[in-house]
Amino acid sequence: DVKVTQSSRYLVKRTGEKVFLECVQDMDHENMFWYRQDPGLGLRLIYFSYDVKMKEKGDIPEGYSVSREKKERFSLILESASTNQTSMYLCASSLGQGAFRQYFGPGTRLTVT
Amino acid sequence: DAKTTQPNSMESNEEEPVHLPCNHSTISGTDYIHWYRQLPSQGPEYVIHGLTSNVNNRMASLAIAEDRKSSTLILHRATLRDAAVYYCILRALGRIQGAQKLVFGQGTRLTINP
Repeated sequence: DVKVTQSSRYLVKRTGEKVFLECVQDMDHENMFWYRQDPGLGLRLIYFSYDVKMKEKGDIPEGYSVSREKKERFSLILESASTNQTSMYLCASSLGQGAFRQYFGPGTRLTVT
Repeated sequence: DAKTTQPNSMESNEEEPVHLPCNHSTISGTDYIHWYRQLPSQGPEYVIHGLTSNVNNRMASLAIAEDRKSSTLILHRATLRDAAVYYCILRALGRIQGAQKLVFGQGTRLTINP
């Protein structure tokens, strides 16, 4: 079974801190994704990556950056965390071009105080 | 991105079939219909997908209308473990390398009564 793991289930950070959320997948997938999920807004795509060192902005990239130095790892970076970035963050991966199925991690609930 | 419309919530009884509807009147000819579900405190998981023909797998069946403007996810015999939010999604191809971009709506919250 494909496994997508995220570094933390729960995280509490202070406003202005730099925050790293890590995601690792073990099935050699080309594509990786970061979403955030908020009540009433559903899941929204922040960034995705289709290859090592390649990235593309999703629907809400402002305030975030990403890094993909190795195929299995995709990091989401909050350069200066703000309270409106309190959310559930979900990582996903999929096999390659045309792949229809995304595999999601368990999520990281980030609280910025 | 083409949009989908689903009821906010549905309720059913254990061991009975459940039909979850989805309207997608602006679907394009190349859009696949995907269903994902999200159990409490978990990330979404894939359920099924289809293009034109009805599809079956071990989790569910997908019935697609002939004009493709609507579809129905069928859980043949619901269990308490099927209580989740169910998302109907039209696949939108990313601009680069065909990376799949899933656009999640609000979904249908399914409650299963014992």
